[in-house]
Formats: sequence, structure tokens, C-alpha cells
Amino acid sequence: EADIYQTPRYLVIGTGKKITLECSQTMGHDKMYWYQQDPGMELHLIHYSYGVNSTEKGDLSSESTVSRIRTEHFPLTLESARPSHTSQYLCASSEPGGQPQHFGDGTRLSIL
Amino acid sequence: QQQVKQSPQSLIVQKGGIPIINCAYENTAFDYFPWYQQFPGKGPALLIAIRPDVSEKKEGRFTISFNKSAKQFSLHIMDSQPGDSATYFCAARAGGANNLFFGTGTRLTVIP
Repeated sequence: EADIYQTPRYLVIGTGKKITLECSQTMGHDKMYWYQQDPGMELHLIHYSYGVNSTEKGDLSSESTVSRIRTEHFPLTLESARPSHTSQYLCASSEPGGQPQHFGDGTRLSIL
Repeated sequence: QQQVKQSPQSLIVQKGGIPIINCAYENTAFDYFPWYQQFPGKGPALLIAIRPDVSEKKEGRFTISFNKSAKQFSLHIMDSQPGDSATYFCAARAGGANNLFFGTGTRLTVIP
């Protein structure tokens, strides 16, 4: 089983709050990813990183930002949460070849 | 525009049956086709994957059939068990890219 951890698992919070979703992996993978998953919909890539100090936006536009200061850590931040940000956020990592991607169990975020 | 189209949206079979999930794509640059299995409250986990130079791949009870000319691929689950009840996602990736394009998922229920 892949060693990739996401916290919190669930978060219900009010509009306007700053939120950071944590993602850590112990596999030493250089590549990390954030996906957004809504019920009944496909996963969409919102951010990825090739390694430390490398971040890129994915194919789905997102108001969130990411940072990659350490190889094992890839947090996602929403500066001012809105109800439209309500979704499940999945973090993944992979070896340099890009596949397979190992997923965490996700953070289910609800903005009231 | 959805890059990978998946059907059916849901599927119910009896134990021992052979559920089949189908996916289709248009982008001929895709060269890697994984299937992910996701249980409630968990992240997707890689089940099996295929590259377009083979027409079939088996791993245990799971088989991918690939039709390059039709740009279609499907997942077959032999002797299905109640423990196979999960959501299954097909995906595709273009060579060298980071992005996995996912289908919308199929919720499989195997009745005892």
C-alpha cells in the first residue's frame, strides 16, 4: 500500500477562511499531484510538481495555490474559501516516469 | 471536453458474473491506459494498466481488452465477488505528459 497521507480527512468551514490541505509521502517520489474530484465526475488535475521548488497548474483552473519546499510535502492552500470550493481533493505521487500514480485517501472539503 | 468517455455509470451483477466496463478516447497520442479502483472513503488505487502495443492484459481476475483501431478499451472482472464492489475509473495519458485524463467512473455493485 502506498504511503501517502492527507490531512484533514474532512473539513467543514465557513466562507472567507484560509485553508491549507496537507499532503505528505514517504516514498521519496519527485512528482506530486493534486486532483479535484466531484461526485459522479472524473478526477481533474489542478496542480503538479516535478520536485522541490517546482509547481505547475493542471488542466482544471483552480483558485488554490501549492508549494513544494520539501520533497515529501506538497500542501494546497485556499486563501479565502468559497462554497464553490466544496469538493474532494486528492493528492498523488509518482516516480519520475509519472506512472503509476499513488493516491492518498483525500480531503473532503465543505465550505458553508 | 471529456477526453475519456466511460460507461456504464453504474452496474449491478450477481456474484460470479462478469461485469464489463467500457471506455473510449479520441486522442491518438494516448499511450498508457490504467484502471483505478476506488472504495468509499479511500483514494483510487491502480488496478491494472495497458499500453497500446498489446490487445489484452490479465492480472488475476481482471482483464483489460484494448482495441487500438476503435480507440476503445474495457475492463472485465471474472468471477466477480461482493468485495469487488467499488467505483472503477479508466484513464489515459499521452506520452511524456504528467496529466492523467480520467473517465467519470462506474459504480459496481456485486450482489451475494
